[in-house]
Amino acid sequence: AQSVAQPEDQVNVAEGNPLTVKCTYSVSGNPYLFWYVQYPNRGLQFLLKYITGDNLVKGSYGFEAEFNKSQTSFHLKKPSALVSDSALYFCAVRDEEAAGNKLTFGGGTRVLVKP
Amino acid sequence: DTGVSQNPRHKITKRGQNVTFRCDPISEHNRLYWYRQTLGQGPEFLTYFQNEAQLEKSRLLSDRFSAERPKGSFSTLEIQRTEQGDSAMYLCASRSPPGGGETQYFGPGTRLLVL
Repeated sequence: AQSVAQPEDQVNVAEGNPLTVKCTYSVSGNPYLFWYVQYPNRGLQFLLKYITGDNLVKGSYGFEAEFNKSQTSFHLKKPSALVSDSALYFCAVRDEEAAGNKLTFGGGTRVLVKP
Repeated sequence: DTGVSQNPRHKITKRGQNVTFRCDPISEHNRLYWYRQTLGQGPEFLTYFQNEAQLEKSRLLSDRFSAERPKGSFSTLEIQRTEQGDSAMYLCASRSPPGGGETQYFGPGTRLLVL
């Protein structure tokens, strides 16, 4: 079975400050990890993914994430947050060895960036 | 690449009625997924198609739900005898053939309200 936990329902940060959104996962095999962002009444927009290779992956809009196998974590980071980054962020995992192709999502973390 | 499209974007129906949603994936994406997202939660997997074959169904997909992808292009999701608990956002995603990448790209969703 595969699962994802996002321990924070909401993260508040001042504009210009670093932003971190936490994610931990559980899979039987090797993980494929993803971050998506959702704006109100919109679908999910892909930000970045880790499949293999460098543990630090860079994605859209200045976001990056670090894969940590020993801590089973994949935290999303941005060095300097913008007000426009305020949205709902989802971490997702797929087990490489699982027969199915489905993604399992965390419950989401709402990010509020204050001017 | 015009992205994944879904129609309608919003649907209000009375309990007991049937509804049908349509998803048009990114062209040449042979894999298509349906997810359901309730308020304040992450998306949950419903079903998965590879070309026209439905390869996986979640236990969430009761016998009132049916999905088709008759020609391996667009897909429809039908809910019969709708219940208030079916109120949710229904998301469609598509993914390229093997070797083309692991990312699922999501459409804008269809928001269903059952009165």
